[in-house]
Amino acid sequence: EIVMTQSPATLSVSPGERATLSCRASQSVSSNLAWYQQKPGQAPRLLIYGASTRATGIPARFSGSGSGTEFTLIITSLQSEDFAVYYCQQYKNWPAITFGQGTRLEIK
Amino acid sequence: QVQLVESGGGVVQPGRSLRLSCAASGFTFSNYAIHLVRQAPGKGLEWVAVIASDGRDKHYADSVKGRFTISRDNSKNTLFVQMNSLRAEDTAVYYCVRDADIGAADYYFDYWGQGTLVTVSS
Repeated sequence: EIVMTQSPATLSVSPGERATLSCRASQSVSSNLAWYQQKPGQAPRLLIYGASTRATGIPARFSGSGSGTEFTLIITSLQSEDFAVYYCQQYKNWPAITFGQGTRLEIK
Repeated sequence: QVQLVESGGGVVQPGRSLRLSCAASGFTFSNYAIHLVRQAPGKGLEWVAVIASDGRDKHYADSVKGRFTISRDNSKNTLFVQMNSLRAEDTAVYYCVRDADIGAADYYFDYWGQGTLVTVSS
């Protein structure tokens, strides 16, 4: 099983600032990496796939990068609606796909 | 618009069974693999199962293999999940999720249902 480790567990950032979230895979997943956003009481929403491609309707302030084992999600100019939990997911090793444990992005 | 609506959740005793349904609309259901993803209360996401667009190929997480059965009726745009021998650790919100790629499954997900809560407790 490929273990996905996200850091930090909680990130406190002020609105308008930039947030940097990290995801590390225990072995290479190439670019088979997706990011999701989940708000309380809601289902997750796809943000990024292929490590760096924004999903339909996702604002340009969300960007993904990385390949292999190290990945980053950057959110610039944080808006109030961006404060949520973010999950990374590898889909290289299907069907045994795995998610990270999540990073909670909170208002500072 | 794409919609996935789960139903069938509830409270069930350990060892008993439950059947979930997921009604799809707003897209050509028979063109997409559909997955089941769960989330225990206050916890992260866990992939559970997938069924291919034509229903022939199915895969399960080790945690549910032999106990859960996923199926679909493309004529009714509906996914079914038969959950047997339920355990306390199966307690979670279960999401019906569309694979992002048309045809063959790519194993990342572009549309999610609202989820249905299954609670396994005596």
